[in-house]
Amino acid sequence: GENVEQHPSTLSVQEGDSAVIKCTYSDSASNYFPWYKQELGKRPQLIIDIRSNVGEKKDQRIAVTLNKTAKHFSLHITETQPEDSAVYFCAATGGTSYGKLTFGQGTILTVHP
Amino acid sequence: KAGVTQTPRYLIKTRGQQVTLSCSPISGHRSVSWYQQTPGQGLQFLFEYFSETQRNKGNFPGRFSGRQFSNSRSEMNVSTLELGDSALYLCASSMDSSLSGNTIYFGEGSWLTVV
Repeated sequence: GENVEQHPSTLSVQEGDSAVIKCTYSDSASNYFPWYKQELGKRPQLIIDIRSNVGEKKDQRIAVTLNKTAKHFSLHITETQPEDSAVYFCAATGGTSYGKLTFGQGTILTVHP
Repeated sequence: KAGVTQTPRYLIKTRGQQVTLSCSPISGHRSVSWYQQTPGQGLQFLFEYFSETQRNKGNFPGRFSGRQFSNSRSEMNVSTLELGDSALYLCASSMDSSLSGNTIYFGEGSWLTVV
């Protein structure tokens, strides 16, 4: 089955800096890669996603890149703000694993004012 | 448009009891999946239902079961509760998860504590 590795497990940045979180996946059949942000006690909230026919997607301060050959994808947050502090999860799904998101271990992002 | 709704939000059960959690997907969504979230194991897939049929199942014991009704609402049941079942149980819905790139939305979850 699919396996997703996420790094780093914790990330601390100063407000205004950029943050990058990286994930690798194992199943070449995976074709959809969402990123979720989870604040303490809240549900995972979709912040951006990318499909396998696209190499990069951007939404304001957030961008995601996908390298299908290397089987890795990354989340980039620019001009970080304290409210970006949360746990971020990458996930992968596709092929016959529909409805099944395989998640990375999560990254605790702390943005210091 | 209402989001994914889960009930109850919080519950405490005793070892050996059973529990039923409910999920109402976003209107128009026919796929419902369930996840368990714990600090040690992260987010783990339990099962997925579409049109009342279980299409995919994770690696959980048979004590964990679910079903989906004709209106797409879903329930999951955990029997003979163990302390290790204490977790946040998340329901997620999508239009049809078999479609490539189908977006999946999560509910607020049900916090289960087993004592």
